[in-house]
Amino acid sequence: QVQLVESGGGVVQPGRSLRLLCAASGFTFSNYAIHWVRQAPGKGLEWMALISYDGNNKEYADSVKGRFTFSRDNSKDTVFLQMDSLTTEDTAVYYCTREDIRSTSFDYWGQGILVTVSS
Amino acid sequence: QSALTQPPSASGSLGQSVTISCTGTSSDVGGYKYVSWYQQYPAKAPQLVIYEVTYRPSGVPDRFSGSKSGNTASLTVSGLQAEDEADYYCSSYAGSNSWVFGGGTKVTVL
Repeated sequence: QVQLVESGGGVVQPGRSLRLLCAASGFTFSNYAIHWVRQAPGKGLEWMALISYDGNNKEYADSVKGRFTFSRDNSKDTVFLQMDSLTTEDTAVYYCTREDIRSTSFDYWGQGILVTVSS
Repeated sequence: QSALTQPPSASGSLGQSVTISCTGTSSDVGGYKYVSWYQQYPAKAPQLVIYEVTYRPSGVPDRFSGSKSGNTASLTVSGLQAEDEADYYCSSYAGSNSWVFGGGTKVTVL
């Protein structure tokens, strides 16, 4: 079955960096675009970033552009989110999610990983 | 990239219906057929319940239905059941490889 498993979260000080991973299984990873969506405590969902199936196209929300970098390794069925210059506003649960090829909807989600930015 | 507008809360009695609106602009909801809806239980990941405005993924009960008129999409849950009590989020493709979510609606089953 399709699975997405995030890791790498934790507590980090403002201004520091953190790298999240999302390991996929149960489907042909190299055929699918992957997104990151985050949810601040008690708040709604926020779309953050997209990486195309081959890694050649990446897009970011304005809130993270220039600070976050999305990459993937199709040989390891894994995507990576490098988060730099973190601020307290980046505190959230981060979900990786698969984009359905036909409908552009997010058909499978990871369980989420908490990132806390605090001094 | 402004969030889509949803009512913060909605409620309905067991067996009745509830409809949630999701208002955007011609640059997102009104401009594309790619509107989807997600159900989220507390401390759980969201789950897709409607895609491309009206379609249900396999396994989603036919009590869930979607529609769109102009810049506003809607999710209707008919025959409300206790397990439908959750947060619901709409999402739309917004062009240039970007997506936008609504602020979420908490559905309470009375």
